[in-house]
Amino acid sequence: IVMTQSPPTLAMSPGERATLSCRASESVGTNVAWYQQKSGQAPRLLIFGASTRATDIPGRFSGSGSGTEFTLTITSVQSEDFAVYYCQHYNTRPPNTFGQGTRLEI
Amino acid sequence: QLQLHESGPGLVKPSETLSLTCTVSGASMIRSRYYWGVIRQPPGKGLEWIGSVYFDGTTYSNPSLGTRVTISIDTSKSQFSLKLKSVAAADTAVYYCVRLGYHCGAHCYSDFWGPGTLVTVSS
Repeated sequence: IVMTQSPPTLAMSPGERATLSCRASESVGTNVAWYQQKSGQAPRLLIFGASTRATDIPGRFSGSGSGTEFTLTITSVQSEDFAVYYCQHYNTRPPNTFGQGTRLEI
Repeated sequence: QLQLHESGPGLVKPSETLSLTCTVSGASMIRSRYYWGVIRQPPGKGLEWIGSVYFDGTTYSNPSLGTRVTISIDTSKSQFSLKLKSVAAADTAVYYCVRLGYHCGAHCYSDFWGPGTLVTVSS
């Protein structure tokens, strides 16, 4: 299963709403996770089950979608949110695979 | 508090075997009943799932890596390990040890990551 993220780069100003997209090459139900990776750090789980926030993740992050189309929304981008974001499908036709990432930049 | 720590060679010669050890602290690998895994990231590139292992020794690996991958677990030492045979330059990456989601299976998302260790394949 191929996960395709768009856009590759998203330029935003603090306070704006950011929408990141992820498309699966075939239906994965709601078995999609989103991760945030800051420079030089390991990825951090943000969302699983397409829409469930992981522990300690702020409410400005939300996920939606099912089947083949998924979205990560940051309602009001903060300075600490500038990073690379990856989607991943899991538990459907292994191996699980990641998208190529969307870089959120100022 | 859970901690994951990767121990790797730093530098491996082409055609040799890469050995990575992941040490778990702050949780019992047996009582917690999680799957544990390894994910890698070539410099400047995306993420690739390598494989996962359960406390009872059950393992799964990425078919793209064929028979080069062996994952094992030693619960008495709170460690799991990766061996990747016949490495080449394309295996140069940051290798992350991860914990998979609770009661989610061997191919789940990763809810906890170690800091990662860079392994370079070069002569």
